[in-house]
Amino acid sequence: ETGVTQTPRHLVMGMTNKKSLKCEQHLGHNAMYWYKQSAKKPLELMFVYNFKEQTENNSVPSRFSPECPNSSHLFLHLHTLQPEDSALYLCASSPSVGTYEQYFGPGTRLTVT
Amino acid sequence: TQLLEQSPQFLSIQEGENLTVYCNSSSVFSSLQWYRQEPGEGPVLLVTVVTGGEVKKLKRLTFQFGDARKDSSLHITAAQPGDTGLYLCAGVSGGTYKYIFGTGTRLKVLA
Repeated sequence: ETGVTQTPRHLVMGMTNKKSLKCEQHLGHNAMYWYKQSAKKPLELMFVYNFKEQTENNSVPSRFSPECPNSSHLFLHLHTLQPEDSALYLCASSPSVGTYEQYFGPGTRLTVT
Repeated sequence: TQLLEQSPQFLSIQEGENLTVYCNSSSVFSSLQWYRQEPGEGPVLLVTVVTGGEVKKLKRLTFQFGDARKDSSLHITAAQPGDTGLYLCAGVSGGTYKYIFGTGTRLKVLA
């Protein structure tokens, strides 16, 4: 595997379910990010991790819970989501925070029913 | 709040035509990136510009960073169907690691 991978690619969940999104980067980067992409809205930064430490929580509701066990893996745990949380969730990495280039995974298309 | 406005929002053109996409802000950025995103995939980095007035060329694509580092443009010469996609600009403010993404330009090139 190369680059940034995300699983699953598609997820349908009910509002009472608990699920997790997984992201893995094979680039040796130290910073990882979660973004939300909704229709007709710009990409929204959710969380930033640098060397496994969370450095940014962009006012994200607590029903989204990130976890970064090491610099290569990032999870987003989902619990009691709302239909308006349906979106494409993108993971990205960069050599460190503030460096210019980010590399994105293919995303997880989440539908909350 | 920093915003990056892109124009046009949608663009549909014939193969072989030229086009320009704009990315504008009232804020100064230390760098600006352009990405292209295809349906069902994540954004793919095209270029990074850092210096005010900088011009970079990538085959038929020409990117320019404004002198004041508040705006940027992407010009495509002789567009091809393979250029179809969502074009996103993203800026990084000096001293922060927050990437601000633009509103996007959805381009369709018809054969």
